[in-house]
Amino acid sequence: KNQVEQSPQSLIILEGKNCTLQCNYTVSPFSNLRWYKQDTGRGPVSLTIMTFSENTKSNGRYTATLDADTKQSSLHITASQLSDSASYICVVSGGYQKVTFGTGTKLQVIP
Amino acid sequence: NAGVTQTPKFRILKIGQSMTLQCTQDMNHNYMYWYRQDPGMGLKLIYYSVGAGITDKGEVPNGYNVSRSTTEDFPLRLELAAPSQTSVYFCASSYYTRNTGELFFGEGSRLTVL
Repeated sequence: KNQVEQSPQSLIILEGKNCTLQCNYTVSPFSNLRWYKQDTGRGPVSLTIMTFSENTKSNGRYTATLDADTKQSSLHITASQLSDSASYICVVSGGYQKVTFGTGTKLQVIP
Repeated sequence: NAGVTQTPKFRILKIGQSMTLQCTQDMNHNYMYWYRQDPGMGLKLIYYSVGAGITDKGEVPNGYNVSRSTTEDFPLRLELAAPSQTSVYFCASSYYTRNTGELFFGEGSRLTVL
């Protein structure tokens, strides 16, 4: 069964600190992995996409990594800001039209 | 450029009532989707469409219906509402298929069935 597991479930960090969110998946075959940011009361918005051949990709203060051998991805947030408070969802695609959503990590950045 | 627009944002229904969630996109995307998001769960696909006139079931289609008469619009119909349909519903669209293309989501419709 295709699964996407994220950890931690929730996280509280001080403004300015770094954090790393984890995503483990069992989706096979693998096509790509996306990280989405979902602000409270809003729809998810794509942050980055990783394909099989990519190890690292950055989008501003967000850096995603992918280890396709161990089926793990991480999202590192540098110098966190209050606006980073949101849920971060890992989405793994594999095979025709197969897309599996993780349950998300809820991040709260406090001043 | 509005993107994906959903209405209504909030709705309370009584058991057995019916309603339609509206969704429209202005990006000329062929692919459109309806998802539901329940607490502690990943988004689940209800129905999707690969173009006007073509719809197909997703993972959790029971109790719902859709139509796609135009490229822009993809309404979701709830017949005989049940408490299990209490959820947040998201409409999304993509230029490519959902397993290759970026999904663009609406802001969601929060539905409560009492």
